[in-house]
Amino acid sequence: GQQLNQSPQSMFIQEGEDVSMNCTSSSIFNTWLWYKQDPGEGPVLLIALYKAGELTSNGRLTAQFGITRKDSFLNISASIPSDVGIYFCAGQDGSSNTGKLIFGQGTTLQVKP
Amino acid sequence: DTGVSQDPRHKITKRGQNVTFRCDPISEHNRLYWYRQTLGQGPEFLTYFQNEAQLEKSRLLSDRFSAERPKGSFSTLEIQRTEQGDSAMYLCASSSKGQTSGNTIYFGEGSWLTVV
Repeated sequence: GQQLNQSPQSMFIQEGEDVSMNCTSSSIFNTWLWYKQDPGEGPVLLIALYKAGELTSNGRLTAQFGITRKDSFLNISASIPSDVGIYFCAGQDGSSNTGKLIFGQGTTLQVKP
Repeated sequence: DTGVSQDPRHKITKRGQNVTFRCDPISEHNRLYWYRQTLGQGPEFLTYFQNEAQLEKSRLLSDRFSAERPKGSFSTLEIQRTEQGDSAMYLCASSSKGQTSGNTIYFGEGSWLTVV
């Protein structure tokens, strides 16, 4: 079946540093979504990407849809303590009519003030 | 609040009991999804509704699980004869087909199930 590999698994950084995480897929996706999840809460949508090569920003967050349609990355600039949480990439398979998402394993981010 | 609502947020039940979760999607969203998430993992797809029709079910959805969306609005997920392995967070999500920008999926806050 389809698999998404997300890396790194965890990061512990100093406040103010930039962060980068990425996802790679064994197959092509037509949409990439990035979510943040706090403990005990549902995933909150950060950025949605719909076209290969697309680069989209949301405040200090920037994400790109890879040209091959098999990868995506998320950058966070000038991290702050409230960036702490688990970040998930998710892809939508273009061959499926349901739009269901396949999720990566998550990147746990910890920020030291 | 106009987001996806789930109820209850937490449920503790004894093994063998039945439980039911409710999801109210974003108004006018015709697509509704159920996912399951265990600690340390990403959400896993369970089932999908388009309006009232259940169009896809994952192999994860055993015969003890049943989901409905009777009027194409809210949905329920019932688990019969719960087992300890059913302990997880059950997430509901919704989206609207036909958006020119794509099928953007929004999640609820989840319903935590603990089977003891």
